Amino acid sequence: SQQGEEDPQALSIQEGENATMNCSYKTSINNLQWYRQNSGRGLVHLILIRSNEREKHSGRLRVTLDTSKKSSSLLITASRAADTASYFCATEPVRDFNKFYFGSGTKLNVKP
Amino acid sequence: SQTIHQWPATLVQPVGSPLSLECTVEGTSNPNLYWYRQAAGRGLQLLFYSVGIGQISSEVPQNLSASRPQDRQFILSSKKLLLSDSGFYLCAWRDDLAGVDEQYFGPGTRLTVT
Repeated sequence: SQQGEEDPQALSIQEGENATMNCSYKTSINNLQWYRQNSGRGLVHLILIRSNEREKHSGRLRVTLDTSKKSSSLLITASRAADTASYFCATEPVRDFNKFYFGSGTKLNVKP
Repeated sequence: SQTIHQWPATLVQPVGSPLSLECTVEGTSNPNLYWYRQAAGRGLQLLFYSVGIGQISSEVPQNLSASRPQDRQFILSSKKLLLSDSGFYLCAWRDDLAGVDEQYFGPGTRLTVT
């Protein structure tokens, strides 16, 4: 399956620390996106990185993409308690344009 | 600005009953529309997507169907619910005409089949 897989499944850190979560996928992609989900809510788009990009920043977020390893990482710097949520990566495969495949997510807990 | 609505927010239905979940998008035209299901503590599974009125693509064989009777309306249905249909159903849209790759999600419907 094309579905991305995040690791770790769960991550618990102190406020102010950095949080890193990883995503791996199986086939060539057009882009990879990271989303955030607060408990019981819809998903919110965080950042998109295209297959020809290697790194992207948005505020406290930094995303990297290594297409040779078929992996991506999301770094949240100087985490806050409000960052507590589940984070998902989603891939749009080259051969399945218009379809998005989500991983099972990383549950981040930031302790105040 | 664009908004996406889903209703109802929660639903408890007995096994064998029918289902109709509605999703509407405002402030955009000809969006790509998606239905996902999320099991407890898991990721999202793509169920259906639509690139236009009456155009539905199904991702997995299942007890559900989808329809798009209007440009900005996407409906998820079932004739007879199964216990395994329980989950969190999310609708999303994407502005393909503008070449935007991000998806925007609705608030979701939590379905419990008893």
